Amino acid sequence: EIVMTQSPTTLSVSPGERATLSCRASQSVSTNLAWYQQKPGQAPRLLISGASTRATGIPARFNGSGSGTEFTLTISSLQSEDFALYYCQQYNNWPPLTFGGGTKVEIK
Amino acid sequence: EVQLVESGGGLVKPGGSLRLSCAASGFTFSRYNMNWVRQAPGKGLEWVSSISLSSSYIYYADSVKGRFTISRDNAKNSLYLQMNSLRAEDTAVYYCAREAGPFDSWGQGTLVTVSS
Repeated sequence: EIVMTQSPTTLSVSPGERATLSCRASQSVSTNLAWYQQKPGQAPRLLISGASTRATGIPARFNGSGSGTEFTLTISSLQSEDFALYYCQQYNNWPPLTFGGGTKVEIK
Repeated sequence: EVQLVESGGGLVKPGGSLRLSCAASGFTFSRYNMNWVRQAPGKGLEWVSSISLSSSYIYYADSVKGRFTISRDNAKNSLYLQMNSLRAEDTAVYYCAREAGPFDSWGQGTLVTVSS
């Protein structure tokens, strides 16, 4: 099983600032890595697939990068609607499909 | 517009059974693998099960193997999850999700509570 580790657990950022979220895989997942955003009481929403491809309708301030075992989600200028939980997921080697534990982006 | 609508959740006693349904619309259901993902209260996301287009390939998380059964009816555009021998640790919101590599569409979820 591929273990996905996200850091930090909580990230405190001021609106307008940049947020950098990390995701590490226990073994290479190539670029088969997705990022999801989840707000309270809502289902997750796909932000990024293929490590760096934004999903339909996702603003350009969301950028994904990385390959192999190290991945980063950068939100260039945080808007109020971006404060949420973020999960990474690998879909390279499964079953099982595995998610990271999540990073909460909160208002500083 | 892609829509996935789960139903069938509720309160059940330990050892009991429940059948979840997911009604799909807005896309050709038979062309996509489908999945169930759950989220325990205050916890992260856990993949539960996957079923291929024509039900030829089915996979389960170890935590539910032997107790849960995934199925689909392409004629009815529906996905199902039969859950037997339920345990307290199965308490979660259960989401159905369309798979296109990643999970590109999710339902709103249905809450399953296992408690005496």
